[in-house]
Amino acid sequence: DGGITQSPKYLFRKEGQNVTLSCEQNLNHDAMYWYRQDPGQGLRLIYYSQIVNDFQKGDIAEGYSVSREKKESFPLTVTSAQKNPTAFYLCASSTTILRETQYFGPGTRLLVL
Amino acid sequence: RKEVEQDPGPFNVPEGATVAFNCTYSNSASQSFFWYRQDCRKEPKLLMSVYSSGNEDGRFTAQLNRASQYISLLIRDSKLSDSATYLCVVNMGTGGFKTIFGAGTRLFVKA
Repeated sequence: DGGITQSPKYLFRKEGQNVTLSCEQNLNHDAMYWYRQDPGQGLRLIYYSQIVNDFQKGDIAEGYSVSREKKESFPLTVTSAQKNPTAFYLCASSTTILRETQYFGPGTRLLVL
Repeated sequence: RKEVEQDPGPFNVPEGATVAFNCTYSNSASQSFFWYRQDCRKEPKLLMSVYSSGNEDGRFTAQLNRASQYISLLIRDSKLSDSATYLCVVNMGTGGFKTIFGAGTRLFVKA
């Protein structure tokens, strides 16, 4: 089955700790995205990548980092600099970034201990 | 003014009712439009794209009004399973990437 997978489903972070959220797709999509969703709010773009070895900051990139070493993978690291990381994190992909439908993974819920 | 605005609801309707959601967008250069459905604590899933000519998929009809800069979603004969949050999505499609998600409209369909 083609699709997007995210792991883990739930993640707990301690103060001062960096954590990495996994996102993998086997749809052969060039573009991948990371969003954050807070209760009652729309999705906000953290980072996006048009192609391997390229990525761009979104609207709320501070405190986050990404890499795109493989077409299939776009991991997101939440660093200790992100002071309010508790949220629902969603990874998505599309064929390209130009007006294309985005398909989402099941999400990761990050909670701070 | 937000770039994409939706009525947050919630909309509480009985089964069989017709319900309509509206979404306004601020950038007249916007090029593509979508409605997504998001169930509680789940990821958004594409419901339908919205075309200038309007489009229909079973009980769902989407319309685009470029002059007034809004899109709409009509659900006829509501089912209990339609209960969800409906997200309006607007893609600017200009140089670079700019896709904006609305905050969503919550729908509860009751027996």
